[in-house]
Amino acid sequence: GAGVSQSPSNKVTEKGKDVELRCDPISGHTALYWYRQSLGQGLEFLIYFQGNSAPDKSGLPSDRFSAERTGGSVSTLTIQRTQQEDSAVYLCASSPTGGGFYGYTFGSGTRLTVV
Amino acid sequence: KQEVTQIPAALSVPEGENLVLNCSFTDSAIYNLQWFRQDPGKGLTSLLLIQSSQREQTSGRLNASLDKSSGRSTLYIAASQPGDSATYLCAVRQRGEKLTFGTGTRLTIIP
Repeated sequence: GAGVSQSPSNKVTEKGKDVELRCDPISGHTALYWYRQSLGQGLEFLIYFQGNSAPDKSGLPSDRFSAERTGGSVSTLTIQRTQQEDSAVYLCASSPTGGGFYGYTFGSGTRLTVV
Repeated sequence: KQEVTQIPAALSVPEGENLVLNCSFTDSAIYNLQWFRQDPGKGLTSLLLIQSSQREQTSGRLNASLDKSSGRSTLYIAASQPGDSATYLCAVRQRGEKLTFGTGTRLTIIP
């Protein structure tokens, strides 16, 4: 596609429910990143995928968070048993390769509200 | 641990003026630095990418400079327009794939 596509754009969920957030990177981009933007916290790294390599999960805040990338393309970020502190904008980015040499293209994000 | 700071946090200038946004980082061992803009309720739009070996990059009315040894970058916007109003973020990449983002500068151009 022309850009990084994320869905849904907005999600309101009840505390304790599971949610899935989807990211479609730019076609051909091998590197995919998830970031979280919380009010007053700025942008924080969550996870990175590069081709078929094991993902870098060092930014995931708890074991309630997981992500997968199928077929080297679409990625899904899953949050189990959501808590109010999970409310944030979740941003996905892709890059032609790892290393960021060509920069990063971000999607418009999914705004998650846990009530 | 890398820390990225942007000063000022907010800036208002009359239309037509030139302006400079600042970004500083504590660890100079970076691979690259990127400037983004973020409009309210939107994602990030990439503006300029500077590799560690470069001193500056230009795109239209925007010019970004990088002084790695002093841990500073500036984004210069010439002849500002109301459409430039947004939050501007800088981000640095070090070893590994993680970007460390600055705190952002909220820019308002007054018509």
